[in-house]
Amino acid sequence: ETGVTQSPTHLIKTRGQQVTLRCSSQSGHNTVSWYQQALGQGPQFIFQYYREEENGRGNFPPRFSGLQFPNYSSELNVNALELDDSALYLCASSLLGQVNEKLFFGSGTQLSVL
Amino acid sequence: TQLLEQSPQFLSIQEGENLTVYCNSSSVFSSLQWYRQEPGEGPVLLVTVVTGGEVKKLKRLTFQFGDARKDSSLHITAAQPGDTGLYLCAGFGGTSYGKLTFGQGTILTVHP
Repeated sequence: ETGVTQSPTHLIKTRGQQVTLRCSSQSGHNTVSWYQQALGQGPQFIFQYYREEENGRGNFPPRFSGLQFPNYSSELNVNALELDDSALYLCASSLLGQVNEKLFFGSGTQLSVL
Repeated sequence: TQLLEQSPQFLSIQEGENLTVYCNSSSVFSSLQWYRQEPGEGPVLLVTVVTGGEVKKLKRLTFQFGDARKDSSLHITAAQPGDTGLYLCAGFGGTSYGKLTFGQGTILTVHP
């Protein structure tokens, strides 16, 4: 067990709706990264948050946004959902700046967009 | 854009056989990691390799980082059904902390 918890575990939404996914990072970690994993693919980097600010972003549109809170927990928000947003969304916590940075992943939220 | 290509994409073998999974890129990575992921779970880190030519062993698993830090391999000796899962290689590039570039994964099935 990594100590990273995500909620909810499963979610079904319809096209055009908005969704918020939540992540509690491992104790002592100050950084949260979000990844999207489509079926049969490796995870793709969405963005990272450090000190409550976005600290790097992958190739995802602005309707993907996030927050990090003072307790280092985080949210991923997706607006105007599209069918292709159906995927496993993974949160990973880490300690920024450590040599050979280790990411600890949660079990993910499985999002289905109908 | 940094890309990692894994091969094979699928691997189905009998218990006791050996196997090798490859991870290749045209880009240099500062370090490379291997993860194992089971259905309904997030990836779990197995190893990090940093130095070109580095070899690390984890019980029956042997990991190697290419001399030029562009490729890596995972070798499993005497595979067991418990080794079944999705194996992912992932690279850290430059100063993009936390931004891992993942390969598409290798689905390994070990039959008893």
